[in-house]
Amino acid sequence: DAGITQSPRHKVTETGTPVTLRCHQTENHRYMYWYRQDPGHGLRLIHYSYGVKDTDKGEVSDGYSVSRSKTEDFLLTLESATSSQTSVYFCAISAQGGQTYEQYFGPGTRLTVT
Amino acid sequence: QKEVEQDPGPLSVPEGAIVSLNCTYSNSAFQYFMWYRQYSRKGPELLMYTYSSGNKEDGRFTAQVDKSSKYISLFIRDSQPSDSATYLCAIVGRDNFNKFYFGSGTKLNVKP
Repeated sequence: DAGITQSPRHKVTETGTPVTLRCHQTENHRYMYWYRQDPGHGLRLIHYSYGVKDTDKGEVSDGYSVSRSKTEDFLLTLESATSSQTSVYFCAISAQGGQTYEQYFGPGTRLTVT
Repeated sequence: QKEVEQDPGPLSVPEGAIVSLNCTYSNSAFQYFMWYRQYSRKGPELLMYTYSSGNKEDGRFTAQVDKSSKYISLFIRDSQPSDSATYLCAIVGRDNFNKFYFGSGTKLNVKP
């Protein structure tokens, strides 16, 4: 988890409220990713970024938006949280995403939507 | 159909046993194969990777790929209690290295 922090680490929120999760890296890596992890589904890619202001959708992007205004920060926003978005969210970074298999993961954020 | 399937376990073995973890994938376009280890309430960490059929060894760990059968395996020799974790396979295609597909993970418990 060195060089990657996620905040908050735990959050409980109500259905319909907006939620923003933050990923911060000190490695100066170009590529950043947001995944969600659920029992029986493993890790699924939500969105990723290949540079400041450059993002693309992953496998399960509906209901999520992202922003990256600085190299070190990648934000994941749930505009109106739903119970199906209860999950553990992981951020990952890669120095050469698009050319390498190596992704490094943060410690995760446990989100509960009631 | 999921891109990659993995038996969730749990798998419980005595210390010193040989462990075999397996995944199957559906699309022959996938070219690169990884194994990640995830301890409880932690993020996954890369354990091994390979991109060709055959075996790759790293200490007590061996990754095996059979592209003709679309089958990948991870073997752990002389398993230790510290190996107790969830193991996730991951695959990625040559067309977009940013889109990894992960198996659901196999939970391993090595008993002392």
